[in-house]
Amino acid sequence: EIVLTQSPGTLSLSPGERATLSCRASQSVSSSYLTWYQHKPGQAPRLLIFGASSRATGIPDRFSGSGSGTDFTLTISRLEPEDFAVYYCQQSSTFGGGTKVEIK
Amino acid sequence: EVQLVGSGGGLVQPGGSLRLSCAASGFIFTRYWMTWVRQAPGKGLEWVANMNGPGSEKSYADSVKGRFTISRDNAKNSVYLQMNSLRVEDTAVYYCARDDGYGLFLYWGQGTLVSVSS
Repeated sequence: EIVLTQSPGTLSLSPGERATLSCRASQSVSSSYLTWYQHKPGQAPRLLIFGASSRATGIPDRFSGSGSGTDFTLTISRLEPEDFAVYYCQQSSTFGGGTKVEIK
Repeated sequence: EVQLVGSGGGLVQPGGSLRLSCAASGFIFTRYWMTWVRQAPGKGLEWVANMNGPGSEKSYADSVKGRFTISRDNAKNSVYLQMNSLRVEDTAVYYCARDDGYGLFLYWGQGTLVSVSS
């Protein structure tokens, strides 16, 4: 069974800064199956990136995904106030533990 | 417009049972796998179970296998999660989600809270 390890657990940044979130798989996974979600309290998760690097409809271009094999990255180029949330990577039936992006 | 509306959550004692429902609309229900995902308080997302469009295939997380049963009624455009032998650690917000392929969840229900406590 694949394990997805996200790091860091918490990222403390200011609006306007760049956020780099990591997702490492315990074994090589197909990029087609690597997905990123944003989750805010009291809301359903929101699909951001699918296929490791494709933005879902309506997702701003400050969000980008990259990577292959076992190492994947979600980058938020310039944090907006609404971007402070928890981010999860996912491959099929496995979610990573999440990275919380909080306001510094 | 695609909509998923979950219901059926509540407070139940350990060892008890609860049945969650998720009513779908706005798409051809039989074409999609449906999935339940949960989030325990202070924890991350956990995949729970899924079922294919015809209802002939299903899978479960090890943590719920043998206690939870996923089912669907395609005539009612609904998917269900029967939860038996509930444990305190099953306390969570439960989301239903439509699988758009490769385990990709574009549409989610609003979440329904299940609390297991004596």
